[in-house]
Amino acid sequence: NAGVTQTPKFQVLKTGQSMTLQCAQDMNHNSMYWYRQDPGMGLRLIYYSASEGTTDKGEVPNGYNVSRLNKREFSLRLESAAPSQTSVYFCASSADRGRLGYTFGSGTRLTVV
Amino acid sequence: QKEVEQDPGPLSVPEGAIVSLNCTYSNSAFQYFMWYRQYSRKGPELLMYTYSSGNKEDGRFTAQVDKSSKYISLFIRDSQPSDSATYLCAMSGETSGSRLTFGEGTQLTVNP
Repeated sequence: NAGVTQTPKFQVLKTGQSMTLQCAQDMNHNSMYWYRQDPGMGLRLIYYSASEGTTDKGEVPNGYNVSRLNKREFSLRLESAAPSQTSVYFCASSADRGRLGYTFGSGTRLTVV
Repeated sequence: QKEVEQDPGPLSVPEGAIVSLNCTYSNSAFQYFMWYRQYSRKGPELLMYTYSSGNKEDGRFTAQVDKSSKYISLFIRDSQPSDSATYLCAMSGETSGSRLTFGEGTQLTVNP
């Protein structure tokens, strides 16, 4: 009964370092998403994968890359972290093209110093 | 202008009050409407789901959609301190693909 699992939960990076945020879901959902959440900005879509084998840019894709490894896993990579990428990152998944809503993970709190 | 507008609050009410949370939207193609609840330092969780216009009730929670006014509401009756959270509206339509458009969220505090 895990739902959407994100790792790590917390991370501190130095400017210029790289890292990959991992996300896995066990609900057999087709679609997966990466959001960032910042005070006063709400949830902003970074990238999404409507189905296995496809990925598309969202509202704020610059500085990020994604990989839909298989139906269960969707990773987000920061190649060269910047302080502007300090945020809380949420992964989500959905069935039925999101019409019945998303299931979110518990988030990754990332600080770039 | 944002597609979905939601007053961020904060909103503070006494325990037992009726709470009204609202969102307005501009895209007339939206047909699927949701409310999420997000506790501090947690991920959003789906609270209510409504298709097209009308009302939906689940315990102390009622979701209303008025498509003619492009306005959705969430009412919480007999509010409890455990309802203290941020509430986000979200919506999509046939042309949205699998993407939801979220409001910014309203921060609610229910005081004992």
